[in-house]
Amino acid sequence: DVKVTQSSRYLVKRTGEKVFLECVQDMDHENMFWYRQDPGLGLRLIYFSYDVKMKEKGDIPEGYSVSREKKERFSLILESASTNQTSMYLCASSAAGAVTGNTIYFGEGSWLTVV
Amino acid sequence: AQSVTQPDIHITVSEGASLELRCNYSYGATPYLFWYVQSPGQGLQLLLKYFSGDTLVQGIKGFEAEFKRSQSSFNLRKPSVHWSDAAEYFCAVAADSYDKVIFGPGTSLSVIP
Repeated sequence: DVKVTQSSRYLVKRTGEKVFLECVQDMDHENMFWYRQDPGLGLRLIYFSYDVKMKEKGDIPEGYSVSREKKERFSLILESASTNQTSMYLCASSAAGAVTGNTIYFGEGSWLTVV
Repeated sequence: AQSVTQPDIHITVSEGASLELRCNYSYGATPYLFWYVQSPGQGLQLLLKYFSGDTLVQGIKGFEAEFKRSQSSFNLRKPSVHWSDAAEYFCAVAADSYDKVIFGPGTSLSVIP
């Protein structure tokens, strides 16, 4: 089975802290994604990566950065956490993206609370 | 720009009743359409997808969806709902650049025993 693992399920951080959310996939997928999920807004794409060291901004990249040093790992970084970044964060991966017919696989999510 | 709307924020059905969840999309070319389900506290799982061909698509867990180009819709259906179907359902459309997937706001389904 494809597995996308988000290392932290629940985090509580203070305003101004630097936060790292880690994601690992075990299927040698080229594409990896970070989404943010908020009630009534669905999933909004923060960043995605289609290769090692490559990244593209999604729809809401402000306040976030990413790192992909290895193919299997994609990290989301909040440089200075703010309360409006309290949310559920979902990592996902796919072999070559949805447009070529490959399914996107999701991790179980990381609940981040910024106080 | 691509977009997805799901008109129903929340739906409640009785167990055994039929179900239809609505989805409308906005996209200039032939869309690639998906339905995902999210159980409480979990990630998303693909139910089904439409890329081309037959406009009636069969998915897992007894779900199906019908693509109607004239109505820009991709509604999800199930003939008989089970209590375990209670979850959040997301419709999505794939954009043609960088393999982006745009999600709708979701429909929350409750099932009454």
